[in-house]
Amino acid sequence: EVQLVESGGDLVQPGGSLRLSCTASGFTFSDHFVEWVRQAPGKGLECVGRSRNKADSYNTEYAASVKGRFIISRDESKNSLYLQMNSLKIEDTGVYYCVRASFDSSHYCYFDYWGQGTLVTVSS
Amino acid sequence: DTQMTQSPSSLSASVGDRVTITCRASQGISNHLAWFQQKPGKAPKSLIYAVSNLQSGVPSKFSGGGSGTDFTLTISSLQPEDSATYFCQQYNTYPLTFGGGTKVEIK
Repeated sequence: EVQLVESGGDLVQPGGSLRLSCTASGFTFSDHFVEWVRQAPGKGLECVGRSRNKADSYNTEYAASVKGRFIISRDESKNSLYLQMNSLKIEDTGVYYCVRASFDSSHYCYFDYWGQGTLVTVSS
Repeated sequence: DTQMTQSPSSLSASVGDRVTITCRASQGISNHLAWFQQKPGKAPKSLIYAVSNLQSGVPSKFSGGGSGTDFTLTISSLQPEDSATYFCQQYNTYPLTFGGGTKVEIK
């Protein structure tokens, strides 16, 4: 069974830092792209950034809103993905989801499995 | 970035009704369009990818259609458990972007 479990969400002051973790099981972690998606309270969904798979050298990509502040990394030995969040802003508040992506027939990545999410609150 | 526009933003329908939600992309996205269902307090659930392919375990009452920039999600016979917010998403170019959501309620 595919599972993604996020952890690390907390209350943090503006300008602070936080690291989220996503631990995967039930599939070959290195074969898949994995995305961080966030949702502000009562709002829609926003892709924050992603880690490509091993075949793509685990390259990362980021949304403009977090580029230069957030860093995504992987630990293959722990089947884990991390989101290091620095210089946090109030508008970074929300639930952060870890999402697995798979390839469709045209080799584009679509989301298939979501974690349960972890809440990050940025407030003074 | 590719903007995704959903309509309506909310709807109310009766049990057994056929319901259709539309999603428009600001530029062509080929067939790289997905749909998600989210219930209050829960993580989104993946329903459809590549316009019309059902994710594993998703009932056949859900169907997707469209091409180019205009897409639809149809629920053939609305049931109480379908009360949720539905989001479309393009995965043609990064950053992947979502529509604003359609809240479906049961009358």
